[in-house]
Amino acid sequence: DVKVTQSSRYLVKRTGEKVFLECVQDMDHENMFWYRQDPGLGLRLIYFSYDVKMKEKGDIPEGYSVSREKKERFSLILESASTNQTSMYLCASSRGILTDTQYFGPGTRLTVL
Amino acid sequence: EDKVVQSPLSLVVHEGDTVTLNCSYEVTNFRSLLWYKQEKKAPTFLFMLTSSGIEKKSGRLSSILDKKELFSILNITATQTGDSAIYLCAVVWGNNDMRFGAGTRLTVKP
Repeated sequence: DVKVTQSSRYLVKRTGEKVFLECVQDMDHENMFWYRQDPGLGLRLIYFSYDVKMKEKGDIPEGYSVSREKKERFSLILESASTNQTSMYLCASSRGILTDTQYFGPGTRLTVL
Repeated sequence: EDKVVQSPLSLVVHEGDTVTLNCSYEVTNFRSLLWYKQEKKAPTFLFMLTSSGIEKKSGRLSSILDKKELFSILNITATQTGDSAIYLCAVVWGNNDMRFGAGTRLTVKP
């Protein structure tokens, strides 16, 4: 049974703070993804990674960076959080090709004050 | 524990067939149910359902929610090979918590 975990369910930060969101998967999946989910906008892809140390920009990478030093861990970094980054952040992982089933974590609700 | 269950996990049909995908849930303080189609690296949004019994329709796709029986169905009529994808259901509840089902992989053969 695939398990994708995210470091926090709820997070409150102040404008300008550096924020780290961690995601860990336990099924040796090659691909990992970070999305944000906002009301009325559906899921939007921020970044994804298809291998250790490899990353690709998604649809909305501005204001974010990522790190994948180990296969099981994919971190999303907000260098200087802003109020428009208040959102639900979802991590996912998948095996093999990018069109394979994605398994989602529980999400982190980030509020930036 | 709150959960979202999709069925079937996998489905193979021929072009022209009609398919029905199911999503059942057990959550407290339900807010909405969303359907997504995943073909490439990111799922694309299809429908959001909040009220029971009101059908949402887009072309050959339609969806309805039953809040009493706690499930939703996604119907696709006159299927085409381009409908082949993974269909994901997600439920939003409580303080905007969200959980995805495992998805249904639909394959439409010519």
